[in-house]
Amino acid sequence: DTGVSQDPRHKITKRGQNVTFRCDPISEHNRLYWYRQTLGQGPEFLTYFQNEAQLEKSRLLSDRFSAERPKGSFSTLEIQRTEQGDSAMYLCASSLGDSHLGNTIYFGEGSWLTVV
Amino acid sequence: KNQVEQSPQSLIILEGKNCTLQCNYTVSPFSNLRWYKQDTGRGPVSLTIMTFSENTKSNGRYTATLDADTKQSSLHITASQLSDSASYICVPGGSYIPTFGRGTSLIVHP
Repeated sequence: DTGVSQDPRHKITKRGQNVTFRCDPISEHNRLYWYRQTLGQGPEFLTYFQNEAQLEKSRLLSDRFSAERPKGSFSTLEIQRTEQGDSAMYLCASSLGDSHLGNTIYFGEGSWLTVV
Repeated sequence: KNQVEQSPQSLIILEGKNCTLQCNYTVSPFSNLRWYKQDTGRGPVSLTIMTFSENTKSNGRYTATLDADTKQSSLHITASQLSDSASYICVPGGSYIPTFGRGTSLIVHP
């Protein structure tokens, strides 16, 4: 069990550029979540997958954001035409089974994005 | 609207002292409550999880309590250590997507 892996850990990009983050969940975890966190705030939900199906998207996820989980394993989060307000830590998490049933959600170490 | 209020927002204590962090929540549906510890620049790590029928859960020096009737939870840290310096986040859950609080920032000084 290698935990939830995220790549890259840090990314600095110019405004207007596209960026992509990758998340490898814990093996066999069927739930995968993306959260965004800024300094002094708790994680904010972005989107959620059950296997390869994207079941829910937050209103925070503008049309510049897209997430995929093509084979129900790893996931990518792409931000197009980045803006300075996108600067944040993007957290990926996974769980085996539904969180509302008490299954633990395991987080990765996050991907820090700085838009300059 | 689901809401989570944590207090205090920040706390500074001396090493070896105890402290208690509070969480008030309005979440529906509700089935469980988690406490996470988040070191600066790292992802959150689960400390405890309680179902709505549990009143207390311990994990080493961490003890969480839950009163589902008053919608309150607390996290008590005993004999604090320097490594306890972190943000502690209360996460009540019940739907597929749990709601995260803003956290309490704890600093433990030697």
